[in-house]
Amino acid sequence: GAVVSQHPSRVICKSGTSVKIECRSLDFQATTMFWYRQFPKQSLMLMATSNEGSKATYEQGVEKDKFLINHASLTLSTLTVTSAHPEDSSFYICSARRRGDRYNEQFFGPGTRLTVL
Amino acid sequence: QKEVEQDPGPLSVPEGAIVSLNCTYSNSAFQYFMWYRQYSRKGPELLMYTYSSGNKEDGRFTAQVDKSSKYISLFIRDSQPSDSATYLCAMSAGSSASKIIFGSGTRLSIRP
Repeated sequence: GAVVSQHPSRVICKSGTSVKIECRSLDFQATTMFWYRQFPKQSLMLMATSNEGSKATYEQGVEKDKFLINHASLTLSTLTVTSAHPEDSSFYICSARRRGDRYNEQFFGPGTRLTVL
Repeated sequence: QKEVEQDPGPLSVPEGAIVSLNCTYSNSAFQYFMWYRQYSRKGPELLMYTYSSGNKEDGRFTAQVDKSSKYISLFIRDSQPSDSATYLCAMSAGSSASKIIFGSGTRLSIRP
């Protein structure tokens, strides 16, 4: 149990386009989902936290108008990178916290590798 | 100074060796300590989870936390080539508003 999927696993797009990444909890209800970004050989950096039905909370330095997060249901959160540029190329990973679990237990998705040309 | 420091490696050891991975941290509020394993191009998976100081063992893996020294370790016994991955330490203060802070990860390679 506690499986999190992400789609797509890899995406290549042209500069200026928008890209949507989906994060789904397959067998549990996720009250909170998290979006991380990971550059090569670096750690995971939290971008934002989203709770179902409410606006996402963004970390300092993360542009909310560029990285749109929607947590429409207890099993789905989406991250849209708007007007993507080459510097947005990175590995984006979501995680989900299960209802009733210890608050620091998160289940991670397999990640989405974004390449902006 | 980063909140969590971790040697990036790479660390290469022969199969069967004991591996020691370590992290130091600066925030004394951290109470929950975790180790994640991340294979290339995959998301992290939780290996071990420890609350406060002490040891925890799970099969070939042992996690140690020394809060007085702000130092945590992960030991892997009888290492296998399948253990080759990046190991990330992570920690949290534990309140519902606390974030998980990750180390930068140590790349480990087990030579057959």
